[in-house]
Amino acid sequence: NAGVTQTPKFRVLKTGQSMTLLCAQDMNHEYMYWYRQDPGMGLRLIHYSVGEGTTAKGEVPDGYNVSRLKKQNFLLGLESAAPSQTSVYFCASRATGGGNQPQHFGDGTRLSIL
Amino acid sequence: AQSVTQLDSQVPVFEEAPVELRCNYSSSVSVYLFWYVQYPNQGLQLLLKYLSGSTLVKGINGFEAEFNKSQTSFHLRKPSVHISDTAEYFCAVTVSGGYQKVTFGTGTKLQVIP
Repeated sequence: NAGVTQTPKFRVLKTGQSMTLLCAQDMNHEYMYWYRQDPGMGLRLIHYSVGEGTTAKGEVPDGYNVSRLKKQNFLLGLESAAPSQTSVYFCASRATGGGNQPQHFGDGTRLSIL
Repeated sequence: AQSVTQLDSQVPVFEEAPVELRCNYSSSVSVYLFWYVQYPNQGLQLLLKYLSGSTLVKGINGFEAEFNKSQTSFHLRKPSVHISDTAEYFCAVTVSGGYQKVTFGTGTKLQVIP
């Protein structure tokens, strides 16, 4: 059981380039999330989805877009990368049933913008 | 809105010594509380959670936490740490209702010294 898988694990981009981060989960979870982790700032929510075909903004959505065309996949896009988007990106998923369900995380994508 | 405070960014402790990692939360409604652990170059993993009932919660790897409603705290403890416990620990809170937004603390790095 793979859980949550993130692709790629590492990436270096130049300012202005675009890319898509892929998150796939095999637990049939309804909720999926994208976070960024920066030193001393914990995890900050970028976007989230409460089901197939739905997306919503989190705390720091600017510069990012997402799509959830299939229940098991949640894509995070950077249309025009900026150095401020250098970070470690984590995807997480969670079952429904209320706030008592824990989140399951992938191993992250380390992204550097030059 | 809820918030989480982890005052200690780093906690050094000698091997086999006890440790306490502090977490305080703020919320106007009932909460669910979680501790997650992040090993280097990995995603977050659930350590333990408090949903209701007994205020002392036991988790994996010998960790436990105590929910104190009057002090709005959920401190994590271990009576004897091992080198393998070196990691970053995140406290998180959710409330019921809505999409159950999870708020994470900024993390505490536990460094176990041989």
